[in-house]
Amino acid sequence: QVHLVQSGTEVKKPGASVQISCKASGDTFTNYGIHWVRQAPGQRLEWIGWINAGNGNTQYSPSLQGRLTVTRDTSASTAYMDLSSLRSEDTAVYFCAREFFASGIFDYGGQGTLVTVSS
Amino acid sequence: QTVVTQEPSLTVSPGGTVTLTCAFSTGAVTNTHWPNWFQQKPGQVPMPLIHTTNNRHSWTPARFSGSLLGGKAALTLSNVQPEDEAEYYCLLHDSPLWVFGGGTKLTVL
Repeated sequence: QVHLVQSGTEVKKPGASVQISCKASGDTFTNYGIHWVRQAPGQRLEWIGWINAGNGNTQYSPSLQGRLTVTRDTSASTAYMDLSSLRSEDTAVYFCAREFFASGIFDYGGQGTLVTVSS
Repeated sequence: QTVVTQEPSLTVSPGGTVTLTCAFSTGAVTNTHWPNWFQQKPGQVPMPLIHTTNNRHSWTPARFSGSLLGGKAALTLSNVQPEDEAEYYCLLHDSPLWVFGGGTKLTVL
């Protein structure tokens, strides 16, 4: 059974950084891309970036370019997103989602991680 | 930056049929944009319904179908049930990036 399990709630001050993890189980990690999506309170879903878990290639939304870094540890079947220089508008639930590599097939996702940025 | 547009809200009667659409600001949506559709109920994680234009997941009821319609991606719900009331998001591949639509709030009334 496929599971993507994310790390827990984070509260950060403006200017700080946050790292969220997404641990996959139940299938071959390197066959997939791991995407990151966020949703601010009451707002729409926003795609922010992804990593090819096989070769580590990444792409980022222009809106977060320079502040977002996505990595993976294949030995731990875990993807990470690091968001730096946090602002209040980064307050959101962050989700990881799995795409069967380069196929456009999104199937399973994580449970979401709430990040609150507040002074 | 590419914008993906959906109807902000739609209302349908139980047992009825409704079509939600998803349009690119830059031109027609095609199969190469790999349209995906997600359903999200309040307080829940988005659930994938349709991938690559018209393919249902194993858990997706047969009353949900995806297509291309007039240069847009479309999600049609037939024989709508009360539990289909939710927000629906499309996701398009604008290579090498992905873009979500603004979402359609579907009310079953």
